[in-house]
Amino acid sequence: DGGITQSPKYLFRKEGQNVTLSCEQNLNHDAMYWYRQDPGQGLRLIYYSQIVNDFQKGDIAEGYSVSREKKESFPLTVTSAQKNPTAFYLCASSSVVRTGREKLFFGSGTQLSVL
Amino acid sequence: AQKVTQAQTEISVVEKEDVTLDCVYETRDTTYYLFWYKQPPSGELVFLIRRNSFDEQNEISGRYSWNFQKSTSSFNFTITASQVVDSAVYFCALSEATSYDKVIFGPGTSLSVIP
Repeated sequence: DGGITQSPKYLFRKEGQNVTLSCEQNLNHDAMYWYRQDPGQGLRLIYYSQIVNDFQKGDIAEGYSVSREKKESFPLTVTSAQKNPTAFYLCASSSVVRTGREKLFFGSGTQLSVL
Repeated sequence: AQKVTQAQTEISVVEKEDVTLDCVYETRDTTYYLFWYKQPPSGELVFLIRRNSFDEQNEISGRYSWNFQKSTSSFNFTITASQVVDSAVYFCALSEATSYDKVIFGPGTSLSVIP
């Protein structure tokens, strides 16, 4: 079945450590996104990519980094510069980003906590 | 500026009751898209519906119905004869044609359906 796979489901970060969240899709989608979800808040965009080897910052990119070396993969690194990383992270994709009408497909998320 | 407001943080209903989830949006664009997504306890957001700004026709899909009113900038979602499986967080979202690479999510409404 086609879909988006996020791993791991739970992740713990120590102080000063970088951690990487995995996101893989087999939907053949061009666009991929990372969102952060905090309790009681909507989803906030961290980074997005419309094509391989290209990505743009979202609203809360500070302390995060991404890469897009393959169409299927869009890993997110939470760096030590992100002082409040505890949140639920969602990866999403869409077929084409041209008009704004495209619906998003989501993975099941990664819960990141700080030790 | 674009904004989505979901004033109801949490709603509890008894099974078989009808429930309406409110969504109010702000945008300066004349062309935009509105979405509803459902996030069950598993964490993965699932697309429910999309409307464009030129189509104010209300829609019904089984027990779900949506009321889009441009005059009040609202896009409300009603579940008829609620079921326990409807328990989830529901997000309203907005995408503008002029900034199509960004989807703005509301804070979500947590719905609990009590058997």
